[in-house]
Amino acid sequence: DVKVTQSSRYLVKRTGEKVFLECVQDMDHENMFWYRQDPGLGLRLIYFSYDVKMKEKGDIPEGYSVSREKKERFSLILESASTNQTSMYLCASIPTYGAVTEAFFGQGTRLTVV
Amino acid sequence: AQRVTQPEKLLSVFKGAPVELKCNYSYSGSPELFWYVQYSRQRLQLLLRHISRESIKGFTADLNKGETSFHLKKPFAQEEDSAMYYCALSTGFQKLVFGTGTRLLVSP
Repeated sequence: DVKVTQSSRYLVKRTGEKVFLECVQDMDHENMFWYRQDPGLGLRLIYFSYDVKMKEKGDIPEGYSVSREKKERFSLILESASTNQTSMYLCASIPTYGAVTEAFFGQGTRLTVV
Repeated sequence: AQRVTQPEKLLSVFKGAPVELKCNYSYSGSPELFWYVQYSRQRLQLLLRHISRESIKGFTADLNKGETSFHLKKPFAQEEDSAMYYCALSTGFQKLVFGTGTRLLVSP
């Protein structure tokens, strides 16, 4: 089974803090994604990466950055956390081979910024 | 622009009733569509994809290019079908655009 693991299930951070959300996948997938999930808004793409040291902005990149130093790890960084970044964050990985296939998701990190 | 629309936030049915979760998409290319499901306290997972033309857990979905729709259907809902359902569109390069989701609640 593909496993996508996010380092924290719950996080509480203060406004202005720098926050790191970590995601690791164990299936050698090239493509990794960060989404935020909000009621009524669905999943919105923040950043994605097709390879090590590559990154692409998604639909809502403002206030976020990412790092992909190793193929299996994709980190989401909130440079200066704000209350409007309180959300559920989902990491996903997708293999490259064949047509678009299944996205494998982590269990999510629920971040609260106070 | 690529867009996925799920018009219902909540769909509430009784056990044994038919279910249809609506999904419409906007995409100029050849679409690849998916349904993902998230059960309570579980991670988001793939339910089915249009290219496979399969039935999973009794659910089916047919791509209608004329109506740009990909509605999810099940003839007899079960309580264990209660979950959050997301329709998703592949825009190429392994990138997915998701709808806003529909919560299905199946009551006994």
